[in-house]
Amino acid sequence: KAGVTQTPRYLIKTRGQQVTLSCSPISGHRSVSWYQQTPGQGLQFLFEYFSETQRNKGNFPGRFSGRQFSNSRSEMNVSTLELGDSALYLCASSPGVAYSSTDTQYFGPGTRLTVL
Amino acid sequence: QQQVKQSPQSLIVQKGGISIINCAYENTAFDYFPWYQQFPGKGPALLIAIRPDVSEKKEGRFTISFNKSAKQFSLHIMDSQPGDSATYFCAASVNTGNQFYFGTGTSLTVIP
Repeated sequence: KAGVTQTPRYLIKTRGQQVTLSCSPISGHRSVSWYQQTPGQGLQFLFEYFSETQRNKGNFPGRFSGRQFSNSRSEMNVSTLELGDSALYLCASSPGVAYSSTDTQYFGPGTRLTVL
Repeated sequence: QQQVKQSPQSLIVQKGGISIINCAYENTAFDYFPWYQQFPGKGPALLIAIRPDVSEKKEGRFTISFNKSAKQFSLHIMDSQPGDSATYFCAASVNTGNQFYFGTGTSLTVIP
């Protein structure tokens, strides 16, 4: 089975721009979660989507949004980019049906976003 | 506010030695505690996980020790190998849902 794929792998943007990141989960997985990884804060949960609905949301401003399509692929959007948004953005997929944290999450390699 | 506190930030161990990474949490609603291993350029991968109804779980050279009363848990890597050199993250979650709270990570270097 193919793993979680994320595109693009690297992205450079300037302050004020917006960006869209894409995540394709493992085939058959219906839950996609997004995390922001920075050296100082580690991994921080952004949100989780299941069957095209946001099921959980972390403590991030409204500039961060996401969506999920009927094929379970997910996109994350960040508007009005700030320097502090520079980070590795990871997505993770899991079957999600049991709605249990014991579902193993499989992470993609991430998208490295640099905001200048 | 960091819901899961992890230490040390970095760790250097000789080959064959024991690596120990510690985590502490405050939220008593947490009931699932996984550890992830991350290599450069890769996403984190689940290593081992524990529920609070047991005090220890062992898988090969990796052991989680869990102290519910102290709200602490730790990862022990026995017979550490250079291939174990990676960043390790502890995490915690409430059973319902996929929202995980991660520690800030420990960079482990195993010297040959």
